[in-house]
Amino acid sequence: DTEVTQTPKHLVMGMTNKKSLKCEQHMGHRAMYWYKQKAKKPPELMFVYSYEKLSINESVPSRFSPECPNSSLLNLHLHALQPEDSALYLCASSQVQGETQYFGPGTRLLVL
Amino acid sequence: AQSVTQPDIHITVSEGASLELRCNYSYGATPYLFWYVQSPGQGLQLLLKYFSGDTLVQGIKGFEAEFKRSQSSFNLRKPSVHWSDAAEYFCAVGVGGYNKLIFGAGTRLAVHP
Repeated sequence: DTEVTQTPKHLVMGMTNKKSLKCEQHMGHRAMYWYKQKAKKPPELMFVYSYEKLSINESVPSRFSPECPNSSLLNLHLHALQPEDSALYLCASSQVQGETQYFGPGTRLLVL
Repeated sequence: AQSVTQPDIHITVSEGASLELRCNYSYGATPYLFWYVQSPGQGLQLLLKYFSGDTLVQGIKGFEAEFKRSQSSFNLRKPSVHWSDAAEYFCAVGVGGYNKLIFGAGTRLAVHP
């Protein structure tokens, strides 16, 4: 099973809202990633977690707050987003950091 | 700096025709190379990868890719395209100790019946 699941599939939020994106995998992977993909652009790395610890933050604004409560779950907490944050947010996981990454279907976010 | 170039933004082929998608990379060390496919509004599916060894790698859905170090290329090929292959194709290079993926801009493939 090489499945990464993400919820919700779609999310619409206002600039003053607080919301969270969820990512889950049951492959025993110990590295998890958040990517942001704007329309007609390639994905860009945001965060990397390795063994539930934040390993990499690619200079992402603080209105995005990642959390890894356990080895199977990765959250992305959103607060005070801007319309330009509207994008497809992709989660990925790999057996360990540095191995092949497997992607989820993404959450399409619209900020009004 | 590391980079990936996919020269073809959009390619159209007829069903049953052969396909080659080009990818060139810039990276000082031996690269980890990947091809992913993305259908509209979907996540990325791994087609194949190259880490080391045989430079011709086989992937899923009948795709293959050849690593050519002298040309810094990792082109994707398929002998006979199916209508279901219409999608966006991303070449990526994994760099650094944590295998950060740097993606090319993507090639959108359209398939005519």
